[in-house]
Amino acid sequence: AQKITQTQPGMFVQEKEAVTLDCTYDTSDPSYGLFWYKQPSSGEMIFLIYQGSYDQQNATEGRYSLNFQKARKSANLVISASQLGDSAMYFCAMREWTGTASKLTFGTGTRLQVTL
Amino acid sequence: GAGVSQSPSNKVTEKGKDVELRCDPISGHTALYWYRQSLGQGLEFLIYFQGNSAPDKSGLPSDRFSAERTGGSVSTLTIQRTQQEDSAVYLCASSPLSGGNTEAFFGQGTRLTVV
Repeated sequence: AQKITQTQPGMFVQEKEAVTLDCTYDTSDPSYGLFWYKQPSSGEMIFLIYQGSYDQQNATEGRYSLNFQKARKSANLVISASQLGDSAMYFCAMREWTGTASKLTFGTGTRLQVTL
Repeated sequence: GAGVSQSPSNKVTEKGKDVELRCDPISGHTALYWYRQSLGQGLEFLIYFQGNSAPDKSGLPSDRFSAERTGGSVSTLTIQRTQQEDSAVYLCASSPLSGGNTEAFFGQGTRLTVV
């Protein structure tokens, strides 16, 4: 089974609108962390936001918020007031801890295109 | 610089040759990850280091791939007898700790082309 699933290969959103990028995950560990990264065409990986499995509130960072639904094992990224510069690939990732080891697994990504 | 540094940034090699890719993580970061990203695809996990040990090598695609880390710092990913399907961007990331809310910081990657 896939650890991280991003079912939207591509998304379009108009400038200034909000958009939700879906992410579901699979783990049996009670302690884990969820991350979102942005990868523009330049190729760099930019950290956006983090949600811990024990966090009671949804994480927010500026225009980014994470809609964390633990029971559904989903961690959707919400981008408000989209800007042209938001056009990029977006990756959801999960970190699991297995004693001394830590593994950071990424989904296949969603390509977001912001239009005028 | 303060970021993760990877070298070379680009590498073109002939099929069958060996290549070494280098990653210099952020000073003090104990966790180090290697990923492979084919054109337009997601990040494929290769190997993870905690200090100098590699508790998770599950992602190495074949025995042609190996990696080491010395002094808890620099890591080298070696691909022997390169094949055309090895062509990809190889990304390295480091993290201060192995857990918690510490995000992984990525290097700019090495673009490997096997001709």
